[in-house]
Amino acid sequence: DAEITQSPRHKITETGRQVTLACHQTWNHNNMFWYRQDLGHGLRLIHYSYGVQDTNKGEVSDGYSVSRSNTEDLPLTLESAASSQTSVYFCASSEWTSGRDFTDTQYFGPGTRLTVL
Amino acid sequence: DQQVKQNSPSLSVQEGRISILNCDYTNSMFDYFLWYKKYPAEGPTFLISISSIKDKNEDGRFTVFLNKSAKHLSLHIVPSQPGDSAVYFCAAKIRGYQKVTFGTGTKLQVIP
Repeated sequence: DAEITQSPRHKITETGRQVTLACHQTWNHNNMFWYRQDLGHGLRLIHYSYGVQDTNKGEVSDGYSVSRSNTEDLPLTLESAASSQTSVYFCASSEWTSGRDFTDTQYFGPGTRLTVL
Repeated sequence: DQQVKQNSPSLSVQEGRISILNCDYTNSMFDYFLWYKKYPAEGPTFLISISSIKDKNEDGRFTVFLNKSAKHLSLHIVPSQPGDSAVYFCAAKIRGYQKVTFGTGTKLQVIP
């Protein structure tokens, strides 16, 4: 069965360290997204990609970067981790659909809980 | 600027009764709306959606209502079951675009 996985599931790091969160999907979807979930803010978009070599900034992209070298993976890098980046991170993927509804449903991974001390 | 708002952070309902979760949006360009359900330690999963050309969409126990003039949508769950206890996110998008804007979520507790 197709799936989307994230690793690690839990990570503790120190302020100033570089951290990379992995996201891998076997849906063969072109579109991939990174969100963070924080109490009182819901899910906020960090970065997204519509295909290989394509990356775009979301609403909370400062301090984060992504790269898309293949269809399956979109790693998220925190260049210099800050305590404000303590959060739960979700990766998602979707595919373009045709037809009247354009549902483009996003499929989410299980999340990575990141703590920055 | 929160374009999708869920003003009730939590809701408790007795098993068998109706659960009504509300959502308001401010961006009039949104024309497709979704509800996602999230259990602890899992990612959100798609539940139900509605296009702006409709005012109601039903899927089993779940019905979503859209009031475009009020920029308001609601999710009705009838009858509510303990397994429905989860966080529900309202989301909105513009059809043809992949970006989705999520609300802050409402935690539903269904009491047996």
